[in-house]
Amino acid sequence: DAGVTQSPTHLIKTRGQQVTLRCSPKSGHDTVSWYQQALGQGPQFIFQYYEEEERQRGNFPDRFSGHQFPNYSSELNVNALLLGDSALYLCASSLAMRGPNNEQFFGPGTRLTVL
Amino acid sequence: SQQGEEDPQALSIQEGENATMNCSYKTSINNLQWYRQNSGRGLVHLILIRSNEREKHSGRLRVTLDTSKKSSSLLITASRAADTASYFCATGLRMDSSYKLIFGSGTRLLVRP
Repeated sequence: DAGVTQSPTHLIKTRGQQVTLRCSPKSGHDTVSWYQQALGQGPQFIFQYYEEEERQRGNFPDRFSGHQFPNYSSELNVNALLLGDSALYLCASSLAMRGPNNEQFFGPGTRLTVL
Repeated sequence: SQQGEEDPQALSIQEGENATMNCSYKTSINNLQWYRQNSGRGLVHLILIRSNEREKHSGRLRVTLDTSKKSSSLLITASRAADTASYFCATGLRMDSSYKLIFGSGTRLLVRP
C-alpha cells in the first residue's frame, strides 16, 4: 500500500521563477491538502483539493495555485518566487467521507530554496 | 497565523524519563492531533483525540484534552533516544465541506542517551 509521495525532494530556484511541486496521495484517498513549513515553524495550511476543486484556502496570495487530477494526484504551483517562499512544502492526503475526525497522512515533503 | 502554541519550545531529558508537552489553542475544534517530525522531514501522525474525549492512550503516549481551557498535553513515558524529534499539535477545524489542520509552532525534544 503506497503512502503519500512527493516530487521532487529538493529544488533550488531563483527569485521571480515559477515552480511546480507534485503529490500522489495514499492509495484510496481522494483529498489532498498542501502545507508550507518555514524553518523552525509549524506547517501552515495553503489549500485543499477534493473532486478536482479547491475547497478551502489558507492565508496565501494568488501566486500559490494548485490542481487536482482525476487520479487524485495534485500539483502546487508558485509563481514569481520570493526569498520568503523558501520552505518545506508538505502534502497530506485523507479520505473525505470519513469527515473531520480522520487522520491526514503526510508525504516526506519538497524542500524549496529560493536564491 | 498559528492556532496552537506549544510549551515548552524545547525540552532536553535523559533517556528513561518522561516528557510532557503542552498545547494551547484559540478556537472551537473537532479534534486535536499530535504529530512527530524528524529532522525537517514528513510528519508522522501519533494520536487523535476528539473534542468529546478527555484522555487517550497509545503505547507510551498519553494525551489529554481540556476543551474548557482550550489546552492539551502529550506525555511520552520512558523516553528513548529515538524519541528525539519535533512534536506538533494540530487542531482539526471543519469549514463547510472541507477540513484543515492548524498547527502550533512545535516542541523540540532531545532525549539524551
